[in-house]
Amino acid sequence: DTAVSQTPKYLVTQMGNDKSIKCEQNLGHDTMYWYKQDSKKFLKIMFSYNNKELIINETVPNRFSPKSPDKAHLNLHINSLELGDSAVYFCASSPPGLRHGYTFGSGTRLTVV
Amino acid sequence: AQTVTQSQPEMSVQEAETVTLSCTYDTSESNYYLFWYKQPPSRQMILVIRQEAYKQQNATENRFSVNFQKAAKSFSLKISDSQLGDTAMYFCAFMKPNSGYALNFGKGTSLLVTP
Repeated sequence: DTAVSQTPKYLVTQMGNDKSIKCEQNLGHDTMYWYKQDSKKFLKIMFSYNNKELIINETVPNRFSPKSPDKAHLNLHINSLELGDSAVYFCASSPPGLRHGYTFGSGTRLTVV
Repeated sequence: AQTVTQSQPEMSVQEAETVTLSCTYDTSESNYYLFWYKQPPSRQMILVIRQEAYKQQNATENRFSVNFQKAAKSFSLKISDSQLGDTAMYFCAFMKPNSGYALNFGKGTSLLVTP
């Protein structure tokens, strides 16, 4: 009954590889997000989608490409992985309106070696 | 861009005591929302409490309460009767209208509850 599920939870890969992280929410929320948490625990938004439409696209290398096939799914594809991409990536979702805050997935720890 | 400042990188409190985590923010908006999230060692981000800027009454959720001072742009979190399970990183976050619902986070405060 996980509300926001991300797969995989851990991902270890070599530099230069391409990888994807999947996210699904069963809450019926309209908006989904990707956040990056760096080694100092700082959380920064990368992308947000509302009903499959890209709303926020922060200054992120274009090696990162989000894909939203429907409003319940938001996947993150990363090309040509670099050492600096190592981080925890969180997916989240929220209903309409400001007051609800987010429901987060459990995060994906990406390690690039 | 809105900035959220948490000036205490680390704090420690004994079990059953009360601790207050500070958060200040910078905005020219009058309508916005503030949140505290908890991240225990499990890594899961958990919403602790939220406050609407136009409500003067401070939000309370069981042992967690906030002191919201709008003029001072301050939003501190008080944890009463601290429990070992409260050990976690605590993040203050700000959300404003017309931002695509983006949450701007502070850098976090690492709270350790000791027996």
